[in-house]
Amino acid sequence: QSALTQPASVSGSPGQSITISCTGTSSDVGGFPFVSWYQQHPGKAPKLLIYDVTHRPSGVSNRFSGSKSGNTASLTISGVQAEDEADYYCSSYTSNNFVSFGGGTKLTVL
Amino acid sequence: EVKLVQSGTEVKKPGESLRISCRASGYHFTNYWITWVRQMPGKGLEWMGRIDPSDSYTYYNPSFHGHVTISADKSISTSYLQWSSLKASDTAMYFCARRYGGTYYADHWGQGTLVTVSS
Repeated sequence: QSALTQPASVSGSPGQSITISCTGTSSDVGGFPFVSWYQQHPGKAPKLLIYDVTHRPSGVSNRFSGSKSGNTASLTISGVQAEDEADYYCSSYTSNNFVSFGGGTKLTVL
Repeated sequence: EVKLVQSGTEVKKPGESLRISCRASGYHFTNYWITWVRQMPGKGLEWMGRIDPSDSYTYYNPSFHGHVTISADKSISTSYLQWSSLKASDTAMYFCARRYGGTYYADHWGQGTLVTVSS
């Protein structure tokens, strides 16, 4: 069982905005500004989308954005596209001094 | 260009030992930590542990501590993940990833090594 809770699946039509939540506790998501988001296409390695809650690495589309409120972090994809269909994982530093991942969310583009 | 190239697919029997590798290039190997991540079939990502190649200091997820060993050889810019006695439950894809010390995200990932343990 993952320490961070994500919805198993979300869906959206092309052009819509979708949000994926990642709920933890004050010992991880709520306690530190170290939430990251990764995208993983089938059979591929994860790709970093967001780090430190809101920061986007160079080369990542500005359609991807991150935020946090209390113990819940969120990834928003604006104007979802067919190529965004993938699994998405959040991760957070924890007070136990290691990193926890969420269980992953499968995004389906209708 | 930063690259992390992992060793190839492995098929082993329970009880056998195994070492898989992750060779880094395109950056100073000792300036970044290497993290190892497990992904069991059809499941999510699990952080196993990390190593600082500059001094080989390691830190493990308690769930993996004692079952795997993470090491690094800075002379050849390579990190290793090792098992002394594999179990069927070790069947998974294993990824290495680069992480800057003091940060908690991995900005470059290897392509993954599939390990299958079956009698």
